[in-house]
Amino acid sequence: GENVEQHPSTLSVQEGDSAVIKCTYSDSASNYFPWYKQELGKRPQLIIDIRSNVGEKKDQRIAVTLNKTAKHFSLHITETQPEDSAVYFCAASNSGYSTLTFGKGTMLLVSP
Amino acid sequence: EAGVTQFPSHSVIEKGQTVTLRCDPISGHDNLYWYRRVMGKEIKFLLHFVKESKQDESGMPNNRFLAERTGGTYSTLKVQPAELEDSGVYFCASSPNLSGSAQYFGPGTRLTVL
Repeated sequence: GENVEQHPSTLSVQEGDSAVIKCTYSDSASNYFPWYKQELGKRPQLIIDIRSNVGEKKDQRIAVTLNKTAKHFSLHITETQPEDSAVYFCAASNSGYSTLTFGKGTMLLVSP
Repeated sequence: EAGVTQFPSHSVIEKGQTVTLRCDPISGHDNLYWYRRVMGKEIKFLLHFVKESKQDESGMPNNRFLAERTGGTYSTLKVQPAELEDSGVYFCASSPNLSGSAQYFGPGTRLTVL
């Protein structure tokens, strides 16, 4: 089955800095890669996703890149703000089996 | 549009008792998923419904867990009898179709088994 590794487990940055979270996956058949943000006590919220026919996708301060050959994908947050502080999860799925396999999460702390 | 809702938000029970969790998906979403996050670990898949049918239940840990989705609307997840290792946050998610579309999560039910 699919295995998703996520690094780092914690990440502390100063407000305004960039943050990068990296994930690798094992199943070459995976073709959908969402990122979720979970603030304390709240639901995981989808913030961006990418499909395997695309190498990069951006949405304002957030971008995701995908390298299918290396089987890794990354989340980039620019100009971080304190409200970006949360746990971020990457996930992967095969569209034929749409269940998500998650990484262990990255706790991002943005200090003012 | 109302999001995925779950009830209760918290449940504290003793080992050996029974607990039933409920999930109401987004209206019109045929796909309903149950996931669980044990303290400090990743969110793990439990079960997937397409309408009222179980599409994939490979993540269900054992036969103490029973999930139903009668009528293809809301779903229940029953744990009977509960064990200490069942503690964690149980999330429900829904999506409108099968092909890798976005899954929208509920707020979760935090289950504590004492």
